[in-house]
Amino acid sequence: DAGITQSPRHKVTETGTPVTLRCHQTENHRYMYWYRQDPGHGLRLIHYSYGVKDTDKGEVSDGYSVSRSKTEDFLLTLESATSSQTSVYFCAISNRDGANYGYTFGSGTRLTVV
Amino acid sequence: QQQVKQSPQSLIVQKGGISIINCAYENTAFDYFPWYQQFPGKGPALLIAIRPDVSEKKEGRFTISFNKSAKQFSLHIMDSQPGDSATYFCAASIGGGGGNKLTFGTGTQLKVEL
Repeated sequence: DAGITQSPRHKVTETGTPVTLRCHQTENHRYMYWYRQDPGHGLRLIHYSYGVKDTDKGEVSDGYSVSRSKTEDFLLTLESATSSQTSVYFCAISNRDGANYGYTFGSGTRLTVV
Repeated sequence: QQQVKQSPQSLIVQKGGISIINCAYENTAFDYFPWYQQFPGKGPALLIAIRPDVSEKKEGRFTISFNKSAKQFSLHIMDSQPGDSATYFCAASIGGGGGNKLTFGTGTQLKVEL
């Protein structure tokens, strides 16, 4: 999607290894989010950020950490990957301007933990 | 705890028919209700959204109906087309600081047959 890029698009990793997913935006939006998508669960919020170095936990944050050192980059780290973290991860951005609260999503990262 | 319940899980509609997807929410503090459309391999994209001060919003062939007293809202796709075949997610959020953290339903896979 224009303005938001996720990398890598696909990754296979072994149980117990650290993994970092990157979200990069060129829209200068204040808010950034990490969601995971799993069948039967829809999209669930992992962590979100409301500014540089300002982050907070979502509903499924256990096993994940995030960092935002620049407005444009939001990193999601799995400290020690487990098979239950096999999922499709989506980053989203928003700019709460009073008229449009919509999110713009990236194209996702498919992560497989073996 | 699922705060937004979506049904059906999957739906098959004939071309030209009406597709109806329903959602129910529990938290009366929710004040923004968007619908997202997702094609395979892509991130969700905002389709249409409504606020609780109106009972219906229409954009082209897509209509949201909102029933505040029943805490329910639904998406109607009129004259459904094969190109509408996708996964649809309802969502809800509470306005305020930290951006609007969306809570998503579990998704509905729509297939429109010729």
